[in-house]
Amino acid sequence: NAGVMQNPRHLVRRRGQEARLRCSPMKGHSHVYWYRQLPEEGLKFMVYLQKENIIDESGMPKERFSAEFPKEGPSILRIQQVVRGDSAAYFCASSPLGRTSGNTIYFGEGSWLTVV
Amino acid sequence: GQQVMQIPQYQHVQEGEDFTTYCNSSTTLSNIQWYKQRPGGHPVFLIQLVKSGEVKKQKRLTFQFGEAKKNSSLHITATQTTDVGTYFCADVYGGSQGNLIFGKGTKLSVKP
Repeated sequence: NAGVMQNPRHLVRRRGQEARLRCSPMKGHSHVYWYRQLPEEGLKFMVYLQKENIIDESGMPKERFSAEFPKEGPSILRIQQVVRGDSAAYFCASSPLGRTSGNTIYFGEGSWLTVV
Repeated sequence: GQQVMQIPQYQHVQEGEDFTTYCNSSTTLSNIQWYKQRPGGHPVFLIQLVKSGEVKKQKRLTFQFGEAKKNSSLHITATQTTDVGTYFCADVYGGSQGNLIFGKGTKLSVKP
């Protein structure tokens, strides 16, 4: 069974460019979560999506960040006009069910974004 | 907002020594999860505690949930170099399994 697949693993962008991070959940999982981890910090929840729906985006910055999980294809986290402060590891996680307690979520290996 | 505090931030031990990390909250935790992240790696789920006073063991790891559900601990007996990494606790926020509130983690280094 393939785990949660994220790409690219490493991405370098210049200030002002766009970054697109992709996440394919585990087979059979329809719930996707994005987290951001700054160096030496814990993970911060960003957004929770189901297919074609954003369920909870309370952790998303108000500007420049967007996320989608289309009917077909991977979930995309998009960061427009990147700034140095966006440099971080972005982790995607998935679960088979969202709001049912007892479910484990599984993290992908992360995408490391560096803004120069 | 809801916060989960974790101490210590760093812990250096000699191989064979024990290690404990503590997770505290000012509010009642719903379910507490523990994760391990190796350097350069991704968080790997270790365990979930649900009940007040719950204790669970995984080989040399012992996880406890406080009676008031406001604290939790992870204890490793006789550490090995393979235990190196950062250990995070996380509260399941608002009943949504994926909206986890993470502590800042305890970074464990083990000297052989």
